[in-house]
Parts: sequence; structure tokens; C-alpha cells
Amino acid sequence: AQKVTQAQTEISVVEKEDVTLDCVYETRDTTYYLFWYKQPPSGELVFLIRRNSFDEQNEISGRYSWNFQKSTSSFNFTITASQVVDSAVYFCALSEETTGGGADGLTFGKGTHLIIQP
Amino acid sequence: DVKVTQSSRYLVKRTGEKVFLECVQDMDHENMFWYRQDPGLGLRLIYFSYDVKMKEKGDIPEGYSVSREKKERFSLILESASTNQTSMYLCASSYRRTNTEAFFGQGTRLTVV
Repeated sequence: AQKVTQAQTEISVVEKEDVTLDCVYETRDTTYYLFWYKQPPSGELVFLIRRNSFDEQNEISGRYSWNFQKSTSSFNFTITASQVVDSAVYFCALSEETTGGGADGLTFGKGTHLIIQP
Repeated sequence: DVKVTQSSRYLVKRTGEKVFLECVQDMDHENMFWYRQDPGLGLRLIYFSYDVKMKEKGDIPEGYSVSREKKERFSLILESASTNQTSMYLCASSYRRTNTEAFFGQGTRLTVV
């Protein structure tokens, strides 16, 4: 069965610090997809990134970067030079090829509440 | 931009009332979903639908039903609201092809008193 663990329930850092959100997943499939979503105080989940299991290349988008390591079943998310606007709950999610498309196949972690203090 | 709109941001209902939560998407997505979000529990899938008039139970369907009469609209129904259904409800939609990302509405915070 698939499972996503976000061990950090809450992280609080001071603005401009770098912060890494951890995500560890479990799956028996060789083909799977990993996602990160951001949920700001407004409530709407915002899609950030999707990676497939065959692409271990790390990705950088501005201040955001993602480190995918199959050897440790991890898909960690780093925010560089954090800003107050980064304060949100961040969810990691996993979808297996066999479960089909869309959110019905998404297994979410319980989320990490990130607080950026000015 | 994909837009998923939920009819209410905040709702207060009395125990025993029949409650309708409405969700509309404008991207012609085949899939639509209702999740419930509670502190410490993350997101849990209540029901989903792959097509008009089609519905499938998720992880926690008890006490809920759904309706999808049109492709763009997916309704969640609480037949007789109870206090343990006080929660944040999130609607989402996506294309049916494998493993596309889902797009979420802004959420409805329902309080049952």
C-alpha cells in the first residue's frame, strides 16, 4: 500500500533562512508520481510540482528546489531565503500508475505547517 | 487558468439539517473529487466521480452522498448533518489521463452546531 510521511508537523524559521520540508514515501510500484502542494491561509491548495519515478533530476524554480532520491524514497522541498509569504501548509502526495489518473490516486501526507517569522 | 469554485467559504448548519456543498469547474475535467481536511489527519477522500452520473466511494463516504448531473458540477450532500462532520471540505478536479495534477477549490469550512 502507498503511504506518504511528512514527519515535520510544524516548522518555524526567521525570514531569509533556508528551510527544508521532508517527505518520505512508500510504494510497491516502479512507476509513480510525486507532488507538492501549498495551502496558504486562504485555504486553496496550489499545485507546485510533479515528478515521475524515472526522473531523478533535481528541479529548481526560483527560490524553490526539490530533491528526489529513490534510494531513500524521499522527495524533499527546500525554500531558499524564505519570505513571510511562504507561510503555509505544504503537502506531499504520491500517485501510483496502477491507480489511474487524477486525485483519486493521490495519497497525501498530513502536511507541514511552515511559519516564516519576520 | 483552471478554476474550481465552491459555493460557500463558510457555512453554519444545525444538527439534523440536510446540507448541500456545491462545486463547479470550468476546465472540462472528467474527474471531480470531494476531500475532507481535519487537523492532524490531512486530506481524506470522501467521494469521486469520473463522469456524469457516475460516483465512487473514497476512504470515508459514511454520512455523505454526491450528485453529478452535469460534467462541470459536483455536489456533496450531508443527509443529516452531525457535529462530527464539522470540517474543511475541499473540492478538486482533474483530467482523466494518468497522474495529472488535481486543481482545488478554495474550500468550505462547515460548522455543525
